[in-house]
Amino acid sequence: DSGVTQTPKHLITATGQRVTLRCSPRSGDLSVYWYQQSLDQGLQFLIQYYNGEERAKGNILERFSAQQFPDLHSELNLSSLELGDSALYFCASSPGRTNTEAFFGQGTRLTVV
Amino acid sequence: AQKITQTQPGMFVQEKEAVTLDCTYDTSDPSYGLFWYKQPSSGEMIFLIYQGSYDQQNATEGRYSLNFQKARKSANLVISASQLGDSAMYFCAMREVPSSGSARQLTFGSGTQLTVLP
Repeated sequence: DSGVTQTPKHLITATGQRVTLRCSPRSGDLSVYWYQQSLDQGLQFLIQYYNGEERAKGNILERFSAQQFPDLHSELNLSSLELGDSALYFCASSPGRTNTEAFFGQGTRLTVV
Repeated sequence: AQKITQTQPGMFVQEKEAVTLDCTYDTSDPSYGLFWYKQPSSGEMIFLIYQGSYDQQNATEGRYSLNFQKARKSANLVISASQLGDSAMYFCAMREVPSSGSARQLTFGSGTQLTVLP
């Protein structure tokens, strides 16, 4: 168990809909990262938050947004969903002050039909 | 430009044998970290081992060791005494640490699918 919790584990939704993925980092970790893993794109970095503030942005679509709350949990919001958004979405956390650790949650498998 | 390159899409190894998974990286930052993750068919990403750019010795964690050759910019994963449960996708990743600011995100290679044969 990595200590990073993601919910839900599976999600099936229709095109055009909006979903929210949730991540609780390991206790004490300040940084949260979101990644998308699809068959054709591999593991793509989406966005990073550190202690509630956005720190870095990757290949995140405008239809996607995220935030990190005061209790350090994070949510990734995906809207106007398309078939191509079907993927495994990972959250990872790390302490933020050290560079030696980065643990992933079990992922949320999103299927858009 | 690719920052992390894994040139072996698939590898086979006999049970109980050792196997080396290749990873090369590209960075101009003097401070960085290298990570290996295992992703079994169930999908989760399991952290295996970490090597810092300033670490003098190669990292080891049980049956996993990282063959770090800084001048060649390579960070190969060695799995000794392979087990059937080692069959999975293996990802190499790098995180750069600029002189100002916090550590950046992990950048991943394309992965190597390892199959352990009985």
